[in-house]
Amino acid sequence: AQRVTQPEKLLSVFKGAPVELKCNYSYSGSPELFWYVQYSRQRLQLLLRHISRESIKGFTADLNKGETSFHLKKPFAQEEDSAMYYCALTINNAGNMLTFGGGTRLMVKP
Amino acid sequence: DSGVTQTPKHLITATGQRVTLRCSPRSGDLSVYWYQQSLDQGLQFLIQYYNGEERAKGNILERFSAQQFPDLHSELNLSSLELGDSALYFCASSGDYNEQFFGPGTRLTVL
Repeated sequence: AQRVTQPEKLLSVFKGAPVELKCNYSYSGSPELFWYVQYSRQRLQLLLRHISRESIKGFTADLNKGETSFHLKKPFAQEEDSAMYYCALTINNAGNMLTFGGGTRLMVKP
Repeated sequence: DSGVTQTPKHLITATGQRVTLRCSPRSGDLSVYWYQQSLDQGLQFLIQYYNGEERAKGNILERFSAQQFPDLHSELNLSSLELGDSALYFCASSGDYNEQFFGPGTRLTVL
């Protein structure tokens, strides 16, 4: 079965510092990978997906199939980036349900 | 609001009771997904419906059931509630491009 691991429950950085939120997955096929963000008291929102290769709010993520990783990066963190971040995957032959990692809380200090 | 809506926002009930959570998908979305978010289990997929038919099943207990109606709204029924069922229940919907849009969630507290 597929699995997503986010090793850090909490990541605390200062404003302007680089950020990397780690995500590793296990699945023998070719999954689709996503990052979702949940700001305080708001619903989960899609931040980015690997197939679109976009940069959203300065965040990027590259799928590394060799290392089965999909780490989320931003060169300069902003206070408004403070939120819960969830890495997730879907496999298209299983109804597109999302398998989520445990989440990482990012705190950006002023 | 053209996004995913869920009612009620909060629900407090007692063990052994039965509750129904409601979800209205985005206009035009045929797929509805239910997820449970708890402190110990994280975010887990429960069940998916597509245009009224069950499409996929995840870690859904036998005490739980769901359905999707002809107008595409969905209901999640939770019965014989236990303390451990206390969680945030999210609904999501998706259209053609597989991007799932989430509702605000229903927070269930079982006392």
